[in-house]
Amino acid sequence: DIVMTQSPDSLAVSLGERATINCKSSQSVLYSSNNKNYLGWYQQKPGQPPKLLIYWASTRESGVPDRFSGSGSGTDFTLTISSLQAEDVAVYYCQQYFGTPYTFGQGTKLEIK
Amino acid sequence: QVQLVQSGAEVKKPGASVKVSCKASGYTFTGYYMHWVRQAPGQGLEWMGWINANTGGTNYAQKFQGRVTMTRDTSISTVYMELSRLNSDDTAVFYCARSLLQSLGSRFDYWGQGTLVTVSS
Repeated sequence: DIVMTQSPDSLAVSLGERATINCKSSQSVLYSSNNKNYLGWYQQKPGQPPKLLIYWASTRESGVPDRFSGSGSGTDFTLTISSLQAEDVAVYYCQQYFGTPYTFGQGTKLEIK
Repeated sequence: QVQLVQSGAEVKKPGASVKVSCKASGYTFTGYYMHWVRQAPGQGLEWMGWINANTGGTNYAQKFQGRVTMTRDTSISTVYMELSRLNSDDTAVFYCARSLLQSLGSRFDYWGQGTLVTVSS
């Protein structure tokens, strides 16, 4: 199984500041034939289902604000929120969909400082 | 608009089974996989498996092999997840989520609202 490890487990950032969450996979999720990273980022607010933010490691889902961005390739990935807003308080998960079982990181809880 | 609407909360006794439904609308049902994801209270997300809504083929996580069955009814665009031999560790919210049918994996772009299953004697 591909193990996804996020860091940090929790993060407190001031409003308007940058938030950065890292995700590392135990093996590459880059498919060489199409040069796509099979990596997504999700946001989950309390009492709600997860919401897709980023797919293919760096493609923003329709309707997601452009302050959210994803980067990385192979085994190391980053979700960046460029200017934190109050509504961004949530738990963030990375997920690999390269191979089954599709696995998620343990989650990173983002709070306001 | 795409919607995945799940059945309501359940309370079950240890050893029992539960069957959760997920009704899809707003898209071509047979063009997607449907996945099931478990989330224990205060915990992270755990993928349980998928069903190919077109063929009915399934792929279960090894952890749930022998205990989970995923089925679908294309006439009503609904998928079902049945989990047997429940124990207290199965107390969780169960989500359905769709991904595009393609040879390799794809992102989970729409999720159901979740179904809380409580296992208690």
